[in-house]
Amino acid sequence: DIVLTQSPGTLSLSPGERATLSCRSSQSVSSSYLAWYQQKVGQAPRLLIYGASSRATGIPDRFSGSGSGTDFTLTISRLEPEDFAVYYCQQYGSSPPITFGQGTRLEIK
Amino acid sequence: QVQLQESGPGLVRPSETLSLTCSVSGGSVSSGGYYWSWLRQPPGKGLEWIAHIYSNGNTNYNPSLKSRVTISVDTSKNQFSLKLISVTAADTALYYCARLFLGYSSSYFDFWGQGTLVSVSS
Repeated sequence: DIVLTQSPGTLSLSPGERATLSCRSSQSVSSSYLAWYQQKVGQAPRLLIYGASSRATGIPDRFSGSGSGTDFTLTISRLEPEDFAVYYCQQYGSSPPITFGQGTRLEIK
Repeated sequence: QVQLQESGPGLVRPSETLSLTCSVSGGSVSSGGYYWSWLRQPPGKGLEWIAHIYSNGNTNYNPSLKSRVTISVDTSKNQFSLKLISVTAADTALYYCARLFLGYSSSYFDFWGQGTLVSVSS
């Protein structure tokens, strides 16, 4: 089974700072099939990034994704107050076909 | 804009069957390239994919739940459904339905329902 491990578990930063979130896979994942989601309290997840680096419709350009193989990164260049949330990476591929990381909580410092 | 809405009982007794329906508006479950999915999120925990289905009835299940889960689609009603048998307290979660785009060069969940909380308790 492919396991996605996100780090750190919690990231404490201030508005205006840069956030770097990591997603590591136990096996190589096709970049095409790596996505990132943002989930705010009481809301459904929202697609941010697909194909490891393509922003979804309406997502601000302060969000960017990168990586390949087993190491992927979500970067938020300058944090806005509305960016504090939980972030999940997700892969499509091997059995089970779809898995998520355990999430990184981005909190206000 | 595609919208999804989950419906079903909020409380299920242990050992009984959890049944949920997702109604789709603003789009069709028969749309090519899209799969219709169920996911869940236990309180305070992460996301778990349960299953997805294509409009022609092709299905894919999470192996950890496969023996207890059935997903189905009703194209005439533009709905799809989930049944989970023999539930236990471990099945207590917020259940989401979502649209999955699955193409040759990308895959992602682009539209989600608001989620429905199902508690398993006697």
